[in-house]
Amino acid sequence: NAGVTQTPKFQVLKTGQSMTLQCAQDMNHNSMYWYRQDPGMGLRLIYYSASEGTTDKGEVPNGYNVSRLNKREFSLRLESAAPSQTSVYFCASRPLAGGSSYNEQFFGPGTRLTVL
Amino acid sequence: GENVEQHPSTLSVQEGDSAVIKCTYSDSASNYFPWYKQELGKRPQLIIDIRSNVGEKKDQRIAVTLNKTAKHFSLHITETQPEDSAVYFCAASMALPARQLTFGSGTQLTVLP
Repeated sequence: NAGVTQTPKFQVLKTGQSMTLQCAQDMNHNSMYWYRQDPGMGLRLIYYSASEGTTDKGEVPNGYNVSRLNKREFSLRLESAAPSQTSVYFCASRPLAGGSSYNEQFFGPGTRLTVL
Repeated sequence: GENVEQHPSTLSVQEGDSAVIKCTYSDSASNYFPWYKQELGKRPQLIIDIRSNVGEKKDQRIAVTLNKTAKHFSLHITETQPEDSAVYFCAASMALPARQLTFGSGTQLTVLP
C-alpha cells in the first residue's frame, strides 16, 4: 500500500514551458486535492475533486488546470509556467466516510518545482 | 471564504517545557479543525484533530482545545522533546463540498536540549 504518490519529485522549468504533475492514491479515497506551499504562507488549495468526475477551484487556481482521470489519479497542469509558480506542490486524498479517519487528508511526498 | 490566522510564527522552548500554538478562524460554519506536523523536507502529517461538537481532545502529550464562541483553537504540547521540533499547521474546514482545508501560516517549533 503506497498511499499517495507524486511524480516527479523535482522539476526545473523555464518561463512559458508547460508540465503536468501526477498524483495517484491506492487507498480507494473519493476526494483529492492539490495544494501549493510557499515559505511563510502555509498550504493553499489550488483545486480539488470531491469525487471522480468532478473538479472545483480552490483559493489559488489561476494558471493551473486539473484532470481527475479516474478514482485513483488527479493531475495538475501548468500550461505556461511563470516564476510565481515556483513552489512545493502537495497532493492529498481523503476517504468518503466511515471509520475514525474519514476527515483526515493524507498527503503525498510533494513535488518541488522551480520556474526560471 | 475562510481565513485562519496562526500565532506565533516561531516558538522556542526548553526540553521538558510546554508549548502552545493558537489559531483563529473566521467562518462560523467551520466544524473540523486538524493540526498537522511537518518536518523539514517531509509531507504534512496529521497529529490531532477536533470537531466542533467537542471542546477538548487529548492524545498522550498533545491536546487541542476549541472555543467555538470566540472562534479560536489551540494546540498544547507538554513535556516537549527534541523530536517535537518541526513546523506545525492548524487548519479549518466545513463539511461541504469536500472538506477542503484552509491552513494557517505555520509555527516553527524548536525544542532546545
